[in-house]
Amino acid sequence: AQTVTQSQPEMSVQEAETVTLSCTYDTSESDYYLFWYKQPPSRQMILVIRQEAYKQQNATENRFSVNFQKAAKSFSLKISDSQLGDAAMYFCAYRSALMIKAAGNKLTFGGGTRVLVKP
Amino acid sequence: NAGVTQTPKFRVLKTGQSMTLLCAQDMNHEYMYWYRQDPGMGLRLIHYSVGEGTTAKGEVPDGYNVSRLKKQNFLLGLESAAPSQTSVYFCASRRTSARETQYFGPGTRLLVL
Repeated sequence: AQTVTQSQPEMSVQEAETVTLSCTYDTSESDYYLFWYKQPPSRQMILVIRQEAYKQQNATENRFSVNFQKAAKSFSLKISDSQLGDAAMYFCAYRSALMIKAAGNKLTFGGGTRVLVKP
Repeated sequence: NAGVTQTPKFRVLKTGQSMTLLCAQDMNHEYMYWYRQDPGMGLRLIHYSVGEGTTAKGEVPDGYNVSRLKKQNFLLGLESAAPSQTSVYFCASRRTSARETQYFGPGTRLLVL
């Protein structure tokens, strides 16, 4: 079974600065997807960024970028030019790319990292 | 297009009471999921469905039952609520394509006294 680990329970960053969140995962599969979700105080789960394992290029979405190290099974999220609205819980998640319908293509989540943004 | 909606938003139950949480999606998605989120933790999968009339167990299914009688609805039932089921419950849905993302509902906060 796949596991996802986020080793940083909480990170603090000054507004306009950069913060990097760590995520490691364990899998025996070669093709999969990795995600970062943001959960603000409203509790809504918001997809921040997605990485496909077969793509070597790191995904980028505006101020959010990832460092995907497939051999090391590492998937970190970098938030640049941090804003007050970035304060939230961030969850790393894994999903197999195998389309076995009965298995449901489930997401496996890490425990989350709380990001605090200081003005 | 409302996306994924959940009813109710918040509920207080007494131990032993039963209730049903409703998840509805209007995106014609095949797959639907129920997760629970406990304080300081990520989401854990309770049950899921890969199509109308089908359900399967996830990571933490004990104490819950589900039904998917209509494609757009996925119901989560608690037959005899326990304090350990105090949590925030999220529903999600997605298309069958491997590249598709899960869309999440806003969550239901359940307190069992």
